[in-house]
Amino acid sequence: GAVVSQHPSRVICKSGTSVKIECRSLDFQATTMFWYRQFPKQSLMLMATSNEGSKATYEQGVEKDKFLINHASLTLSTLTVTSAHPEDSSFYICSARVDPLIYEQYFGPGTRLTVT
Amino acid sequence: GENVEQHPSTLSVQEGDSAVIKCTYSDSASNYFPWYKQELGKRPQLIIDIRSNVGEKKDQRIAVTLNKTAKHFSLHITETQPEDSAVYFCAASTGGGNKLTFGTGTQLKVEL
Repeated sequence: GAVVSQHPSRVICKSGTSVKIECRSLDFQATTMFWYRQFPKQSLMLMATSNEGSKATYEQGVEKDKFLINHASLTLSTLTVTSAHPEDSSFYICSARVDPLIYEQYFGPGTRLTVT
Repeated sequence: GENVEQHPSTLSVQEGDSAVIKCTYSDSASNYFPWYKQELGKRPQLIIDIRSNVGEKKDQRIAVTLNKTAKHFSLHITETQPEDSAVYFCAASTGGGNKLTFGTGTQLKVEL
């Protein structure tokens, strides 16, 4: 149980275009999902916390207008990278929590974004 | 906010030896400390976690110790095997599925 999927697994886009990444909880409802970014040989950095039915909470330094997060249902959160640039190329990973009493977070397999 | 420091950044051990990775955290409100193993291009995989009401937890070859007073926790891997080679991350959160703050990672290499 507690499976999280992401789509696509890899995406290449041209500079200036937008890309949408989906994060789905397959066998549970996730009221809260998290989006992380990981550059090569670096740690996971939290970008934002996504709560179903409300606006996402962004970490300091993360541009809200550039990284649009929508959590419209209990099983789906999306991250849209708008006007992507080469420096946005990274590994984007989502995670979800099952229940506030269950501390473990379940991670998606990640999406490799390359902006050319 | 929370700050998690992790040492060492790289660790090379001989197969069969033990490996120890240490982390310190800054927020005394943190009460959940998971450890993850990440292989290249893959998702982080939870290998063990500990809550602040426990000082030590063990699962076969892996153990975690927590010192709340000093605000540090450590991962211990015994009888290391080549398949243990990966990047290991510690993390901390205030529990309740709240956001995780990750350490900087340790590249563990187990040599034959």
